[in-house]
Amino acid sequence: ETGVTQSPTHLIKTRGQQVTLRCSSQSGHNTVSWYQQALGQGPQFIFQYYREEENGRGNFPPRFSGLQFPNYSSELNVNALELDDSALYLCASSSGQPGPYTFGSGTRLTVV
Amino acid sequence: GENVEQHPSTLSVQEGDSAVIKCTYSDSASNYFPWYKQELGKGPQLIIDIRSNVGEKKDQRIAVTLNKTAKHFSLHITETQPEDSAVYFCAASIRFKLTGGGNKLTFGTGTQLKVEL
Repeated sequence: ETGVTQSPTHLIKTRGQQVTLRCSSQSGHNTVSWYQQALGQGPQFIFQYYREEENGRGNFPPRFSGLQFPNYSSELNVNALELDDSALYLCASSSGQPGPYTFGSGTRLTVV
Repeated sequence: GENVEQHPSTLSVQEGDSAVIKCTYSDSASNYFPWYKQELGKGPQLIIDIRSNVGEKKDQRIAVTLNKTAKHFSLHITETQPEDSAVYFCAASIRFKLTGGGNKLTFGTGTQLKVEL
């Protein structure tokens, strides 16, 4: 059984650019959530997808958007990157509610 | 919204001693409480979880207790080993929609555990 895989592992972008992060959920998991983890802090909920629809959203602006595909993999898109978007972006998948969630190793995004 | 407080922020113990990390949550509707271990450069790894209808759960050297009345839950690690050194996060899960069943995790600020030889 494969776990949650995320790509790329590291990324450097310039302020104002756009970025797409990818996540493959664990086999059998149909729910995907995205979290942002700033250095030294706990992860913050961005949004969740279930059956290709956004199921809930945290306090993040509309320039953070996502998609879920029929195979339950997911993308996180961030437009108009800001310096404060520099963080570790984590994807977590689950087969039911309220959990448990399996996290990937994350994508480290640096905005310069 | 939900708020989770975690203490202490750092904890240093001698190998073989016990470690206890405590969390409180604000929303009584929270129904699921996982604990994650995060090593440097890695994503959070689930080590134990407890649901709101259970007061205590144990898995080998790790145990979690939940006091719903006080909105308090704790992680207990016994016979600590150097490989237990990591950052530990508590979290509380709450449903964010009346339909659809979606839940989100609200995390504490983390505890840096160091097990010294």
